[in-house]
Amino acid sequence: NAGVMQNPRHLVRRRGQEARLRCSPMKGHSHVYWYRQLPEEGLKFMVYLQKENIIDESGMPKERFSAEFPKEGPSILRIQQVVRGDSAAYFCASSPETSVYEQYFGPGTRLTVT
Amino acid sequence: LAKTTQPISMDSYEGQEVNITCSHNNIATNDYITWYQQFPSQGPRFIIQGYKTKVTNEVASLFIPADRKSSTLSLPRVSLSDTAVYYCLVGPGAGSYQLTFGKGTKLSVIP
Repeated sequence: NAGVMQNPRHLVRRRGQEARLRCSPMKGHSHVYWYRQLPEEGLKFMVYLQKENIIDESGMPKERFSAEFPKEGPSILRIQQVVRGDSAAYFCASSPETSVYEQYFGPGTRLTVT
Repeated sequence: LAKTTQPISMDSYEGQEVNITCSHNNIATNDYITWYQQFPSQGPRFIIQGYKTKVTNEVASLFIPADRKSSTLSLPRVSLSDTAVYYCLVGPGAGSYQLTFGKGTKLSVIP
């Protein structure tokens, strides 16, 4: 049973470009979460999605960031007009419907903005 | 959310038992205590969760005193592969999806 998959693992963008991060949850999981980890910091919650629904985006910056989890395909975290401060590791996690606190994390995407 | 305090780092020799203590003085009645492990360049991995007394699984044990103001993660006979950052999380159990990670404890296992 494949775990949570994220791609790309590493992404380099110039300031002002767009970054698109993808996450495929574990088989059978319908809940997806995105977290951001700055260097030497713990993970910070960004957004919680179910298929075609954003449940909680309270941790997401108000501008330039958006997330979706379409009916078909992976969840996508999109960052428009990236700035240097967006450089971080972005982790996706998924959980089954019955245990939202037991989250399984992917390997992360390391975004570097130059 | 209850604030947690844990040591920034710990060193241990291979084969020793390691105990990492987490303080959570303002833990709420419905809060659970959960520990995650994170290796470099990987996402966190769920280790163990408990509410009170002692919980044991194939990886670790979790000791929680009666007042629940602290908890101790116990790793038996650590090996080099246990070198990682260990996070203590406190929050509502079932139904709480917004995991709150602090800076964790960086455990270094020495040969």
